[in-house]
Amino acid sequence: GAGVSQSPSNKVTEKGKDVELRCDPISGHTALYWYRQRLGQGLEFLIYFQGNSAPDKSGLPSDRFSAERTGESVSTLTIQRTQQEDSAVYLCASSSYIGPIETQYFGPGTRLLVL
Amino acid sequence: AQSVTQLDSQVPVFEEAPVELRCNYSSSVSVYLFWYVQYPNQGLQLLLKYLSGSTLVESINGFEAEFNKSQTSFHLRKPSVHISDTAEYFCAVSDKRGNTPLVFGKGTRLSVIA
Repeated sequence: GAGVSQSPSNKVTEKGKDVELRCDPISGHTALYWYRQRLGQGLEFLIYFQGNSAPDKSGLPSDRFSAERTGESVSTLTIQRTQQEDSAVYLCASSSYIGPIETQYFGPGTRLLVL
Repeated sequence: AQSVTQLDSQVPVFEEAPVELRCNYSSSVSVYLFWYVQYPNQGLQLLLKYLSGSTLVESINGFEAEFNKSQTSFHLRKPSVHISDTAEYFCAVSDKRGNTPLVFGKGTRLSVIA
């Protein structure tokens, strides 16, 4: 596609419910990243997929958070038993892996509000 | 591990005035440096990046940033701002393994006043 897309754009949920966020990377991009942006904070890294390698999950804040990616396509970030502190904008980015460093292209984000 | 400090959370400036948005980083290894911009209701966009070579890098819309290794800084400057530059600006670093997660500062909100 033309850019990274994410859905839904906004999600309101009740504390304790599970949510699933979706990211469609740019076609052909082998690397995919999830970040979280809480109000007044910078972006925090959550998880990183690179091709068929095991994902780097070092940024996931708790075992309630998980993510999957099928091949080099869509990724889903799942938050189980949501808490109010999970309220944030969840951003997805993708990049190719051709040169020594490739620009990460960001999607518009999913704004999650946990009531 | 790396960290990024953006010293100013908000910077108001009058149109056509110069501006500098400050960024300092900490890292035990060599890093790549980036500035991203987020316009209202839009996603993050890369503004400019330093990988190697000349320490002064420029964007197409008149911003520039200078890598200063001794001061571990990568301040963003523009000699004359426009209303359309109103946005949030994020400084970020990644280590030189390449294609690794970015470490971001908390952002600086630039407000250009007519």
